[in-house]
Amino acid sequence: AQKVTQAQTEISVVEKEDVTLDCVYETRDTTYYLFWYKQPPSGELVFLIRRNSFDEQNEISGRYSWNFQKSTSSFNFTITASQVVDSAVYFCALSVPGAGSYQLTFGKGTKLSVIP
Amino acid sequence: GAVVSQHPSRVICKSGTSVKIECRSLDFQATTMFWYRQFPKKSLMLMATSNEGSKATYEQGVEKDKFLINHASLTLSTLTVTSAHPEDSSFYICSAPLAGVVETQYFGPGTRLLVL
Repeated sequence: AQKVTQAQTEISVVEKEDVTLDCVYETRDTTYYLFWYKQPPSGELVFLIRRNSFDEQNEISGRYSWNFQKSTSSFNFTITASQVVDSAVYFCALSVPGAGSYQLTFGKGTKLSVIP
Repeated sequence: GAVVSQHPSRVICKSGTSVKIECRSLDFQATTMFWYRQFPKKSLMLMATSNEGSKATYEQGVEKDKFLINHASLTLSTLTVTSAHPEDSSFYICSAPLAGVVETQYFGPGTRLLVL
């Protein structure tokens, strides 16, 4: 069975601070995919990134960066110079191939509040 | 990017009535769609996998007779909450993987159901 743990329930930072959201996953599969989604107050899930298990290269996209460490089963997400618009709930998710479909297992989410 | 729509975005109904929620893939075909449920301040929980042309696969603990799923075409899946009760009030979200990129799911904007 798959499991995703986001130990941080809520985080508050002051605008322009850097913040890292932690994600630890569990799976016995060697092929899997990791995701981060953003859910603003409107409720719609916004896809941020997908990473497959064979690609440990870290990625940077603007103020966002992701650190994938297979050795520690972690896929952490860092926002640099945070902004008020970053305030949202962020979900880490895991999917593994199974019967032709890829079900997502979500973590419980981390609510980020960026204070002006 | 791929677009998934849901209708209605918000619905209020009386206890005992049935409510139908539509999920459409607007610019791609989806043989599989997923239905999630999210309670306030909670994570997304997979309810069922909707398969075009065949029966849906329900997760453990989800009543198939209460949550009827019909995947009538390659772009439409419907979730009907039958004889709704206040405890069914929740945020329902669908997702669909893009064919050929099945490891990435695109989410609809969600439907807020309130049962009085």
